[in-house]
Amino acid sequence: TQLLEQSPQFLSIQEGENLTVYCNSSSVFSSLQWYRQEPGEGPVLLVTVVTGGEVKKLKRLTFQFGDARKDSSLHITAAQPGDTGLYLCAGAKYGGSQGNLIFGKGTKLSVKP
Amino acid sequence: DARVTQTPRHKVTEMGQEVTMRCQPILGHNTVFWYRQTMMQGLELLAYFRNRAPLDDSGMPKDRFSAEMPDATLATLKIQPSEPRDSAVYFCASGPLSYGGQPQHFGDGTRLSIL
Repeated sequence: TQLLEQSPQFLSIQEGENLTVYCNSSSVFSSLQWYRQEPGEGPVLLVTVVTGGEVKKLKRLTFQFGDARKDSSLHITAAQPGDTGLYLCAGAKYGGSQGNLIFGKGTKLSVKP
Repeated sequence: DARVTQTPRHKVTEMGQEVTMRCQPILGHNTVFWYRQTMMQGLELLAYFRNRAPLDDSGMPKDRFSAEMPDATLATLKIQPSEPRDSAVYFCASGPLSYGGQPQHFGDGTRLSIL
């Protein structure tokens, strides 16, 4: 069962464009994390959102947690080639085994110069 | 910065052979996770440990996979016998606390190819 759906699966854009990727579920999460993974490396944590409706900014990246804590979005402003990578969302379920995260399959972003 | 270290980085072997992957978690982290990543399935949790005790290994094929933590600085994942469908990138991750939703720190993975 795929609890976290990410869209789009693939995104190819030109440098300077804006983009939004989505992470959706029918389940409620106590918190949600976003990771970026570059080729040949492991995922690296970007941000954790905890409160429904929370918005966090990390330079040109804006993360939002849905009011109902079932979905999240990542918006990148003026994308740069260095933003290229696989973006993964991961949710922690209420009542789930401690420490266990559910990962989406990711959005593969390519930013062309 | 402290990092999770995985060895080997790449492994190519023939089906039927035993494969052992090793992970050194970040010092002081008490939770260790093993994941498998493929294009089709994404990141799948195989097993995880807290304070070296296995908490959940329901994602792991029990007949051929085994995971252990002989001590706090070493986690191992073994496949015996290996099969071509086991080809994937295997990641180890560790976390500092055992509450739900803790950030996980990943190693750079072992890329496994079973011929």
